[in-house]
Amino acid sequence: DTEVTQTPKHLVMGMTNKKSLKCEQHMGHRAMYWYKQKAKKPPELMFVYSYEKLSINESVPSRFSPECPNSSLLNLHLHALQPEDSALYLCASSQTGGQGTRNTIYFGEGSWLTVV
Amino acid sequence: GNSVTQMEGPVTLSEEAFLTINCTYTATGYPSLFWYVQYPGEGLQLLLKATKADDKGSNKGFEATYRKETTSFHLEKGSVQVSDSAVYFCALPYNNNDMRFGAGTRLTVKP
Repeated sequence: DTEVTQTPKHLVMGMTNKKSLKCEQHMGHRAMYWYKQKAKKPPELMFVYSYEKLSINESVPSRFSPECPNSSLLNLHLHALQPEDSALYLCASSQTGGQGTRNTIYFGEGSWLTVV
Repeated sequence: GNSVTQMEGPVTLSEEAFLTINCTYTATGYPSLFWYVQYPGEGLQLLLKATKADDKGSNKGFEATYRKETTSFHLEKGSVQVSDSAVYFCALPYNNNDMRFGAGTRLTVKP
């Protein structure tokens, strides 16, 4: 069964706080992703890790810092966020990052972030 | 680059009505095509996919056929239920590590 699990499901943080979002997959996938989704919009890619190496950073501000401790885990460290960063943050994984046009990306349930 | 164009919503239907959500694509070659569904307050779930021309993806009563002649991948369901109320995204791979999504179509099914 495909499953990407994310914690926490909801997070409220102040602009001076440091927090982290966590993601785990046990499908043996070697590519993991962070997407950001604002209300009524499609997801937008933030970061891609392929074989535990950061392969894509879509010009994301440095207040977002990804980390891939191993092939099953992906973290997103948050620091000094702004209210406009409030959104749904989706973790995802796929078999490899190099399957190109056959790649199927599987998403987690998301972490709802509110910055106050 | 690859892109998808999806019909604008919202779509409101009565239970047991027939559903069509249009999706057309522009792509180099013949990439896989996907429909994702997002239920209220949840993440995206893969609903169905098709990996080559003339393939039909199906799941939970939904179907979509990969038509290269019309560059389309329309989503259909013969009889919708209230539980199908969600946002539906058409998508295709972009480069090696990304997915291009349509704008999303919000479906509301009324009893």
